[in-house]
Amino acid sequence: EAGVAQSPRYKIIEKRQSVAFWCNPISGHATLYWYQQILGQGPKLLIQFQNNGVVDDSQLPKDRFSAERLKGVDSTLKIQPAKLEDSAVYLCASSADRPQPQHFGDGTRLSIL
Amino acid sequence: GESVGLHLPTLSVQEGDNSIINCAYSNSASDYFIWYKQESGKGPQFIIDIRSNMDKRQGQRVTVLLNKTVKHLSLQIAATQPGDSAVYFCAEIHGSGNTGKLIFGQGTTLQVKP
Repeated sequence: EAGVAQSPRYKIIEKRQSVAFWCNPISGHATLYWYQQILGQGPKLLIQFQNNGVVDDSQLPKDRFSAERLKGVDSTLKIQPAKLEDSAVYLCASSADRPQPQHFGDGTRLSIL
Repeated sequence: GESVGLHLPTLSVQEGDNSIINCAYSNSASDYFIWYKQESGKGPQFIIDIRSNMDKRQGQRVTVLLNKTVKHLSLQIAATQPGDSAVYFCAEIHGSGNTGKLIFGQGTTLQVKP
């Protein structure tokens, strides 16, 4: 089966600019996750969707981050405006159900200048 | 606070030897644990999982051991190969049902010497 697709792979922007990431989960996976992985650390959950509803966004900095999952399939994560500390890899994952393992995409590496 | 931690940031082993990567977790209510392998520039890749009603689970060349008494998890890799070089994360599920949150540890870098 095709894996989780993410784009772009790399993005470089200046602080205060906006950026958006796209994710296409594995077909049929109802649950979609966005993680932030800072260099040298494990991934940290930002938001979890079940179909097109938000299950957990407690760690999403809502003043600058937003995410949506229209039609319960693809998802986008947006940062506006970006700060230097947002430099990280943004990973998307999906799972068929809990407690099935989550399958990850290769992420978008974001650099803020 | 709740956390998942690994005992060593880096583990260096000789090719062909067995590797053991350790992980300590703090939430005794966690009921599902996963080991992930992350290669440079890639996303975490699922290796093996174990539920709290089990003590041991084996896969191809890998074994996960769970000791709930001391809240310890380990990943054993048999006959380590150069392709096993990567960062390994243990992760646990906090919460129940579909709202369970996957909490990752800091990771152990496995270096395989030829």
